[in-house]
Amino acid sequence: AQSVTQLGSHVSVSEGALVLLRCNYSSSVPPYLFWYVQYPNQGLQLLLKYTTGATLVKGINGFEAEFKKSETSFHLTKPSAHMSDAAEYFCAVSGYGNKLVFGAGTILRVKS
Amino acid sequence: SAVISQKPSRDICQRGTSLTIQCQVDSQVTMMFWYRQQPGQSLTLIATANQGSEATYESGFVIDKFPISRPNLTFSTLTVSNMSPEDSSIYLCSGAWGDGYTFGSGTRLTVV
Repeated sequence: AQSVTQLGSHVSVSEGALVLLRCNYSSSVPPYLFWYVQYPNQGLQLLLKYTTGATLVKGINGFEAEFKKSETSFHLTKPSAHMSDAAEYFCAVSGYGNKLVFGAGTILRVKS
Repeated sequence: SAVISQKPSRDICQRGTSLTIQCQVDSQVTMMFWYRQQPGQSLTLIATANQGSEATYESGFVIDKFPISRPNLTFSTLTVSNMSPEDSSIYLCSGAWGDGYTFGSGTRLTVV
């Protein structure tokens, strides 16, 4: 079984500051890990994913995440926040061919 | 990656009625899933749609309320039965193959 915990339902950063959204997972099988973004009244957009191989994964819009097995974490970062990054971010976990389980989501606010 | 066409995109329904949501995938996918996203909430898995057999429902969801069909590897429907205002949500279908998932654009349902 898989589960995801996202620490912090709301995160606020200043424009140009580092973005760090935290995600910890639990999985009984080797995990596949995902970050999705959802803008208001829009669908889900895949930011990045980790399946196997390199543990540092680069995604769209300057985001990246690092899979740390020892810490069961997959935190999302971006060096410099932009106003357009304001959205809700979901971390999700699955095993190969299995259902995708989502975290509760983190709303990112970017202050000018 | 595959593209999922989901319809209707939105609907307003009377309580006590039923609505069927359709998802068509442009290629064969091994597994399909149905999610619910209640206002301000994350995505909750309703069921896994299995081709040629009954769907597998998550805890808290039952077939009488959310009957699902999956007649082939490219199509699935979800029916929301005997609706009440509490069923007002966004419903999304998802297809999985290999290490990837694709989502439909969602059906925004309002029950009045």
